[in-house]
Amino acid sequence: AQSVSQHNHHVILSEAASLELGCNYSYGGTVNLFWYVQYPGQHLQLLLKYFSGDPLVKGIKGFEAEFIKSKFSFNLRKPSVQWSDTAEYFCAVTLNQAGTALIFGKGTTLSVSS
Amino acid sequence: GAVVSQHPSRVICKSGTSVKIECRSLDFQATTMFWYRQFPKQSLMLMATSNEGSKATYEQGVEKDKFLINHASLTLSTLTVTSAHPEDSSFYICSANRGGEQFFGPGTRLTVL
Repeated sequence: AQSVSQHNHHVILSEAASLELGCNYSYGGTVNLFWYVQYPGQHLQLLLKYFSGDPLVKGIKGFEAEFIKSKFSFNLRKPSVQWSDTAEYFCAVTLNQAGTALIFGKGTTLSVSS
Repeated sequence: GAVVSQHPSRVICKSGTSVKIECRSLDFQATTMFWYRQFPKQSLMLMATSNEGSKATYEQGVEKDKFLINHASLTLSTLTVTSAHPEDSSFYICSANRGGEQFFGPGTRLTVL
C-alpha cells in the first residue's frame, strides 16, 4: 500500500535559519506530490505541487521542493524561515490518475522563534 | 482557484444524536469527493471516497453504517455521523478533486458531549 513518511516530527528553528523537511513515499508508479501547510486554527493550504516536468518546484511564500525519483523523495526547503512560518506541514501523495485520494504523511510541526 | 465549502463549521451535539455535514464544490463539478478525519496534532486520515451517483468507498476500519455518505449531485456530498459518541469528536475535512488536484474545505469541528 502507498505510504508517506515524514522524518521530522518537530523542528525548532530561529528566524533566518534554513529549513529542510524530509518526505519519502513508497509507491513504484507515477505519483503526484504535494506539500500542504496548516497554520494554527486554519485549514489546509497548498504550498506547492509536482505533477511532472522540472523536478525542482517553487511554491508560495518562498518554499520549494525537489522531487528525486530515485530516492522516492520530495523534500521541502526554504532558505530563510520567518516567525510566520510556524505551522504544521504535511507531505501528501496521490496516484497520477483521476479520482484517487491523497495519502498524507504524519506531519511536521515547525516552530520558528524570533 | 476552486472553492470548497463545508457546513457547519462547528457543531456540538449530545451523545446518541446524528449530525450531518455538507461539503459543496462552489465553482466546479466534482464527481469524486473525499472525507478525511483529523485528530488534534495528527495527520489527516482518509475515511472514504464519495462518488456521485454510486456508493462510497470506505477505508479499512471505517464503519460505513456509522459514517453515512451521500453524493447526490456533482456539487454536494454529505457525511452523516449516526449515533454520535464522544470518541467521534474530531475535525472532519472534505476535499473535491479537480484536474488532479484536491481542494479542501475549511473543515467541521464536531464535539460530542
